[in-house]
Amino acid sequence: EIVLTQSPGTLSLSPGERATLSCRASQSVSGSYLAWYQQKPGQAPRLLIHGASSRAAGIPDRFSGSGSGTDFTLTINRLEPEDFAVYYCQQYGSSPKTFGQGTKVEIK
Amino acid sequence: QVQLVQSGAEVKKPGASVKVSCKASGYTFTTYGISWVRQAPGQGLEWMGWISAYNGNTNYAQKLQGRVTMTTDTSTSTTYMELRGLRSDDTAVYYCARDHQAHIVGAGTCDYWGQGTLVTVSS
Repeated sequence: EIVLTQSPGTLSLSPGERATLSCRASQSVSGSYLAWYQQKPGQAPRLLIHGASSRAAGIPDRFSGSGSGTDFTLTINRLEPEDFAVYYCQQYGSSPKTFGQGTKVEIK
Repeated sequence: QVQLVQSGAEVKKPGASVKVSCKASGYTFTTYGISWVRQAPGQGLEWMGWISAYNGNTNYAQKLQGRVTMTTDTSTSTTYMELRGLRSDDTAVYYCARDHQAHIVGAGTCDYWGQGTLVTVSS
């Protein structure tokens, strides 16, 4: 089973700043099958990024993903008030399709 | 528009079973799979398993093997997740999600999600 470790656990930033979230895998993620989700309280997760760097439909271009192998990054440029949420990475190249433990982006 | 609508909240006693439904609309049901993901209160996301809506092939998380069964009814575009032998640590919100993996060989991510079903296990 691939274990995904996200860091930091919490990121305290102000609107307009850049957020950089990390997701490290215990072994190489095949095919760069790495996704990022955003979740707000009381809501279902929302797909942001798939294939490590491809934005899902309707996702603003301030969200970008990068990385390969075992190290992946989600970058949010110019944080908007609606971006404060919890972010999860997930690998879906091998079973089980594991999630990271999440990074909370909170308002500073 | 793509929609996944789940059944309502459930309260069960330890040892009981629960069956959650997920009705899909707005797309060709059999060209995708469905993944089930749960989230315990205040915790992260846990992938439970996947089912092909094309042929019913399944892939379950090892920790739930023997307790979970996922099925589909293509005539109603509905997927079901049954969890047996419920314990208190099964208390969670259960989500279904459309998975781009349609076949047992392949990979896919989840782009549309149901609204979630709260299952509470309590004596």
